[in-house]
Amino acid sequence: AQTVTQSQPEMSVQEAETVTLSCTYDTSESNYYLFWYKQPPSRQMILVIRQEAYKQQNATENRFSVNFQKAAKSFSLKISDSQLGDTAMYFCAFMFRDDKIIFGKGTRLHILP
Amino acid sequence: NAGVTQTPKFRVLKTGQSMTLLCAQDMNHEYMYWYRQDPGMGLRLIHYSVGEGTTAKGEVPDGYNVSRLKKQNFLLGLESAAPSQTSVYFCASRGPSGRGNEQFFGPGTRLTVL
Repeated sequence: AQTVTQSQPEMSVQEAETVTLSCTYDTSESNYYLFWYKQPPSRQMILVIRQEAYKQQNATENRFSVNFQKAAKSFSLKISDSQLGDTAMYFCAFMFRDDKIIFGKGTRLHILP
Repeated sequence: NAGVTQTPKFRVLKTGQSMTLLCAQDMNHEYMYWYRQDPGMGLRLIHYSVGEGTTAKGEVPDGYNVSRLKKQNFLLGLESAAPSQTSVYFCASRGPSGRGNEQFFGPGTRLTVL
């Protein structure tokens, strides 16, 4: 079975610090897509960043970047200069060839003032 | 442009009752998904559809049925609700051009089964 694992259920960091959320996955496919979604207290799911497996360059979106290690099946999210508005649940997700999308269990991130 | 909408937003059922959750999208998206979110479990895929008239099972399909009679609508049915189906249900849709397309989510439906 193909799985997505987020090993950090909860994290807290001070505002302006950098934080890294980890995600590992298991698959036998060679081409796939990975995503990080954010769910603030409003419950709305928001796409943070995406990565295509065949692209070696790590994706970046403003303060958000990923460290994609294909051989290690690792896809971590780095948030630089963290802000209070970054407080949320963060979900790693994997899209399979058959268009199924599987999510990890999430990491609850608290940004402390 | 409303995006993805879900009806209803809240519902309380008694064990054994049935209900249908409606998801509608106005973005002409091919793909639609139903998830449930439980504390500590993340989002789990129930069923999904890759186009009008098609449906497929996800990770946790038991106890649910779905239909995609119209491209813009994806219905999730509970024939005989159980307390284990108490959850927040999310619908999402995605466009056709490449698998890296963003999923757009609805606001969720909170369902309680007593």
